[in-house]
Amino acid sequence: DVKVTQSSRYLVKRTGEKVFLECVQDMDHENMFWYRQDPGLGLRLIYFSYDVKMKEKGDIPEGYSVSREKKERFSLILESASTSQTSMYLCASTPGDRGLFFGSGTQLSVL
Amino acid sequence: GENVEQHPSTLSVQEGDSAVIKCTYSDSASNYFPWYKQELGKRPQLIIDIRSNVGEKKDQRIAVTLNKTAKHFSLHITETQPEDSAVYFCAASNRNTGFQKLVFGTGTRLLVSP
Repeated sequence: DVKVTQSSRYLVKRTGEKVFLECVQDMDHENMFWYRQDPGLGLRLIYFSYDVKMKEKGDIPEGYSVSREKKERFSLILESASTSQTSMYLCASTPGDRGLFFGSGTQLSVL
Repeated sequence: GENVEQHPSTLSVQEGDSAVIKCTYSDSASNYFPWYKQELGKRPQLIIDIRSNVGEKKDQRIAVTLNKTAKHFSLHITETQPEDSAVYFCAASNRNTGFQKLVFGTGTRLLVSP
């Protein structure tokens, strides 16, 4: 069974803090993604990665960066958190020919 | 880039009725159309998908249809049950930007009343 694990289920941070969201998958998938989910807006792609040290911008990359030093781990970084980044963040992975496998999500609140 | 519109945003049906959720996409190069179900407080999960070389696909009570000419696809759930209550997302991917890079619709909240 594919497992995509996000390190925190709930996170509360202050404006201006640097925030790290971690995601680990155990199925040797090459492709990993970060989405944010907001009511009425669906899931929007922030960044994705096709391979170690490879990254590509999604539809809303502003204010975010990512790191993929190992195949199983994909980190999302908020360089200076803002209240507009309060959201549910979902990590996902896929081997490429199947649908996305999502993590449980991290609900981030920026105060 | 690709844009996916999904309707309705909410849908209430009685148990046993059918439910239909519709999506339209803008990029004629899109060739993969999955549907995800997200129960309250849980992660989205793939329930069915269709590729552009197929017009219809069924899996028990759920089916998806695709009209490439009109650029729309639909999810059909028959004999709905209370456990079908969830938010459903459609998505599309553009073969030019990668099979896996999905653009999602805004979601449909389906409520099935006993």
